[in-house]
Amino acid sequence: AQSVAQPEDQVNVAEGNPLTVKCTYSVSGNPYLFWYVQYPNRGLQFLLKYITGDNLVKGSYGFEAEFNKSQTSFHLKKPSALVSDSALYFCAVRALGGYSTLTFGKGTMLLVSP
Amino acid sequence: ETGVTQSPTHLIKTRGQQVTLRCSSQSGHNTVSWYQQALGQGPQFIFQYYREEENGRGNFPPRFSGLQFPNYSSELNVNALELDDSALYLCASSISTDTQYFGPGTRLTVL
Repeated sequence: AQSVAQPEDQVNVAEGNPLTVKCTYSVSGNPYLFWYVQYPNRGLQFLLKYITGDNLVKGSYGFEAEFNKSQTSFHLKKPSALVSDSALYFCAVRALGGYSTLTFGKGTMLLVSP
Repeated sequence: ETGVTQSPTHLIKTRGQQVTLRCSSQSGHNTVSWYQQALGQGPQFIFQYYREEENGRGNFPPRFSGLQFPNYSSELNVNALELDDSALYLCASSISTDTQYFGPGTRLTVL
């Protein structure tokens, strides 16, 4: 079975400061990892994904994520946070070669203060 | 915005009733997945359809059923509604096992 843990329910950061949203995963075989963002009363918006290759993945709106196989982590990062980044962020995993069904974490609320 | 649309936006039903939710996939996508997102939780996989066939199913009872049509649009049907079925239902479309793109969701309230 595959699983995702997002250890922080909420992350608070001041605008202009770097942000990190943490994610660890468990999956059989090689992972296929995703970050999605959800704004209030909206569906999930795709940010970025890791399949293979470079451990640092760049995505939409200046976000990036670092894959660490030994720590089974895929933390989301941004060098300089914006107030408009405030939203709910979900990490998801699936096993390569299996169904494309995604297993999501519980989500982390990111609050960026002015 | 993705090209995935869902209808209706909101729905209120009473316990024991049946409901049908609809999803129109993004152009060129042949796979549709349905998820249930309860309040304060991450989305939970219900099932997936690929070229009109069920391609995988999560831990949901048989009263949750679905269809995919030749144009790759899809329906989610829930019979004998229970209070715990109240949630945001999300549809995602993809090209086979590639990245899933989500619609805005249908908010179902069961009274």
